[in-house]
Order: sequence, then structure tokens, then C-alpha cells
Amino acid sequence: AQKVTQAQTEISVVEKEDVTLDCVYETRDTTYYLFWYKQPPSGELVFLIRRNSFDEQNEISGRYSWNFQKSTSSFNFTITASQVVDSAVYFCALSEFTNAGKSTFGDGTTLTVKP
Amino acid sequence: DAGITQSPRHKVTETGTPVTLRCHQTENHRYMYWYRQDPGHGLRLIHYSYGVKDTDKGEVSDGYSVSRSKTEDFLLTLESATSSQTSVYFCAISESAGRNTIYFGEGSWLTVV
Repeated sequence: AQKVTQAQTEISVVEKEDVTLDCVYETRDTTYYLFWYKQPPSGELVFLIRRNSFDEQNEISGRYSWNFQKSTSSFNFTITASQVVDSAVYFCALSEFTNAGKSTFGDGTTLTVKP
Repeated sequence: DAGITQSPRHKVTETGTPVTLRCHQTENHRYMYWYRQDPGHGLRLIHYSYGVKDTDKGEVSDGYSVSRSKTEDFLLTLESATSSQTSVYFCAISESAGRNTIYFGEGSWLTVV
């Protein structure tokens, strides 16, 4: 069965600090897809990134970067020079190719960035 | 933004009454989903649909039913609402399952008293 674990329930940092959100997943599929979503205080769910299991290349988008390591089944998310607007709940999610339609989400990490 | 509209956005209902939440999409995506979000549980899949009249259960489907008579509409029904179904319900869509990104609606806040 697929599973996503976000062990960090809450993280608090001061503005301009770097912060890494951890995501560990379990799957028996060789083909799968990983996602990160952001949920700001306003409540909507915003898609951030998608990565497939065959692409372990790290990705950087502005202050955001993602580190995908199949060897440790992890897909970690780093925010560099955090800002107050980064305060949100962040969800990691997994979709298996053979279990299409039943994506699994982690319980989320609440990030608070203090000024 | 993905064209997803949920209605109602907020509802308070009494225990034992039926409740229907509606999701309408303008993207012509094949897959539609209903998730619930509760503190400490993240997002949990209730039901999903992979086409008109084609639906399947998620991990927390007990007490819920769904229907999809048109590509654009996906209804979630609580036949007899209970307090444990107080939650935020999110509709979502994707072009296909697995590799395609799931896009979410704005959520429906349901309180069962």
C-alpha cells in the first residue's frame, strides 16, 4: 500500500532562515508520481511541483528547491530565505501508476515564518 | 486557475439530515475526486470518478455516496449526516490519474450539529 509520511507536524522559523520540509514515501510501484501542495491560511490548495519516479534530477524554482532521492524514498522541499508569505501548510502526495485515482497525501507540515 | 466550483461553500446541518455537495468543472477533465480534510489527517480520499457513471471508493467512503451523470458535475451525498462528518470537503480534478496534477476547488465547510 502507498503511504506518505511528513514527520514534521509544525515548524517555526524566523524570516530569512532556510527551512526543509521532509517527505518520505512508501510504494511497491516502480512508476509513481510525487507532488507538493501549499495551503495558505486562506485555505485553497496550490500545486507546487510534480516529479515522476524516473526523474531524480533536483529542481529549483526561485527560493524553492526539491530533492528527490529514490534510495531513501524521500522528496524533500527546501525554502531558501523564508518569508512571512511562506507561512502555510505544505502537503506531500504520492500517486502510483497501478493504483491510479487513489493518490495519498501526507498529514501536512505547518510552517510558520515569523518576522 | 482550474475551473472548479464547489457549492455550497459553507453549510450547517443537523444530524440525520441528507446533504449534497456539488462540484462543477469547466476543464473537461476525466477524473474528479472528493477529499475531506481534518486536523491531523491531511487530505483523505472519499470517492473518485474516472468517467460519467464510473466511480470508485477511496479510503474513507463509509457514509458517503457519489454520482456523476455529466462530465462536468460530481455530487457527494451524505445520506444521513453525523457529527463525525463535520469537515472541509475538497473537490479536485485531473486529466488522468497518476501522472497528471490534481487541481483542487476552494473547499466546502460542512458543520453537522
